[in-house]
Formats: sequence, structure tokens, C-alpha cells
Amino acid sequence: DTVLTQSPALAVSPGERVTISCRASESVSTRMHWYQQKPGQQPKLLIYGASNLESGVPARFSGSGSGTDFTLTIDPVEANDTATYFCQQSWNDPTFGAGTKLELK
Amino acid sequence: QVQLKESGPGLVQPSQTLSLTCTVSGFSLMDYSVHWVRQPPGKGLEWMGRMKYDGDTYYNSALKSRLSISRDTSKSQVFLKMNSLQTEDTAIYYCTRAGSFAYWGQGTLVTVSS
Repeated sequence: DTVLTQSPALAVSPGERVTISCRASESVSTRMHWYQQKPGQQPKLLIYGASNLESGVPARFSGSGSGTDFTLTIDPVEANDTATYFCQQSWNDPTFGAGTKLELK
Repeated sequence: QVQLKESGPGLVQPSQTLSLTCTVSGFSLMDYSVHWVRQPPGKGLEWMGRMKYDGDTYYNSALKSRLSISRDTSKSQVFLKMNSLQTEDTAIYYCTRAGSFAYWGQGTLVTVSS
């Protein structure tokens, strides 16, 4: 299985720029996707194919990377971005990262 | 519009079998694959398996011996059955449509307890 490693938590102030990283144990090309999940809700797709913004998602969110290293950037961060962010690969059987909990200072 | 909805028992006894149904609308099961994903309370997401649009099934190797996914295209339903449940199978179970998982059901909480 392809293991995805994310940093566990981040704390930033509103208006700042934040990058959330995801490292794959093997190359997944650009078959990486990012989700936002708030408590009590299902995951919401933000970015697909490493860098493509899902329809309806604010342009404050962007994604980059290929191969094994990927980042999700939020710029600027807003108060309602408090959530857990998961990466997920679809190069082979889907796997998810453990999630990065984003808190606002 | 695209919708998915999970249904099933909220409580299952240890060693018993879990049966869940995902009812979809707004698309055909013969055009899109449907996946099952679960999330233990407060933890991360685990892919369980998928019903491909052509009827083939694929399973997480860690669950393969206990898991079965099937479908009824006439009813737009995908079924999950998992046997020998243990407390660690307590989770929210989601179905989601393939295509980068843009569409998810609201999830159904399954608690394994006696």
C-alpha cells in the first residue's frame, strides 16, 4: 500500500499563508487529491489531480506537487478554514494520509 | 443532482455481520464506480473497497477476507457486507462516488458493542 505522511497539526493566524504537506512512500504521479473535513461532516474535495481546484472551492486553496511530494496551500487563511485536511492518492488502491488539523490562533 | 445515502443498523454485536446499503441518485451505477470508506471516531479515513461500474469489485487487502461488496443496478443500490465484526470496526461508514471522491454520503455510524 502507498503510505501518505502528513504533519499532524498546524496553528496559524487569520490572513496568513499556510502550507500543508503530504509525502507518498512511492510515486503517485499527480494522482493526489485533498479534502477538508469539519467535525460531524463528510470530507469535502478541494483539489484533484494535485493542482486542480474543485468547482465551487475558493481560489484561496491551491495544490502543487508530483511524484512523492505534495502541498496544499491556503492563502489567506480565514477563520472558517479550521478543519482537518486529508490527502488521498489514487495511483493505486486509494489510501489517505492521517490528516493535518489546522487551528487558528 | 448527485446524491448518495448510506443506511443500515447503528449497532452490531461483536462477531456478527454488518450489512449496509448505499442508495444513489443523479447517476448510473453502470457509469460510475462507488467506493466504501470508513472513519473510526476521531481518526482518519480508510478505504474499504469499490464496486466498479462494470461490476468488478476491489477490496482493501486488510479487509478482503471479511468484506463483500455487491450491487443492484435496478435499484441504484450498492451493498456492503462485512463479517466477524469487532469493536475496532466501530466507525462512520461512507459511500462515495469515484471521480476523485467529489460526492459523499452523509455517513452512517456503526457501533460494535454487546
